[in-house]
Amino acid sequence: GAVVSQHPSRVICKSGTSVKIECRSLDFQATTMFWYRQFPKQSLMLMATSNEGSKATYEQGVEKDKFLINHASLTLSTLTVTSAHPEDSSFYICSARGGGVTEAFFGQGTRLTVV
Amino acid sequence: DAKTTQPPSMDCAEGRAANLPCNHSTISGNEYVYWYRQIHSQGPQYIIHGLKNNETNEMASLIITEDRKSSTLILPHATLRDTAVYYCIVFETNAGKSTFGDGTTLTVKP
Repeated sequence: GAVVSQHPSRVICKSGTSVKIECRSLDFQATTMFWYRQFPKQSLMLMATSNEGSKATYEQGVEKDKFLINHASLTLSTLTVTSAHPEDSSFYICSARGGGVTEAFFGQGTRLTVV
Repeated sequence: DAKTTQPPSMDCAEGRAANLPCNHSTISGNEYVYWYRQIHSQGPQYIIHGLKNNETNEMASLIITEDRKSSTLILPHATLRDTAVYYCIVFETNAGKSTFGDGTTLTVKP
């Protein structure tokens, strides 16, 4: 299957700082990318959907000013958690679709810990 | 809101077939059924998808009922490495988002 790479895999940051997570499609052009958040022992919760060159569409209850999403190219989307707080600690996962492929492929996830 | 319901957990003996059911009674005509699995602390892995016909690939088989209101993922010879959370989701291929339900935790036992 197609490869989606997420970086970093783990990050620890201090409260009040911002963290950027990158999601890259390595072998196809991702016209649509999705960002999810997953808390321990829970399912994936969709945060937002982004199409290349357009503003992201956020799910209800997700603060767009706190979780900044940029999808500037067909191979890269970034999620920036601004002014992070301990409650933002979670597993963040991206997925990407495109290139004539109907299924979405997922990155390996980023474990964010805010201290 | 998730459009699918799955049993929370299942056990399977190593080497035997694992049959994971999924109900999607509100599925619409242009929505596909997708299956993914997630091993602890990793991103979900695509397994298989289908619209109305049964599908088979190197990983699994997907059986969709004629009314499309339910489906079953079949792992023909389960191994210990198949222990994971299995998610059944439905969405339109050209539309946007896929919403995950709670999935089924499959435990393969020796």
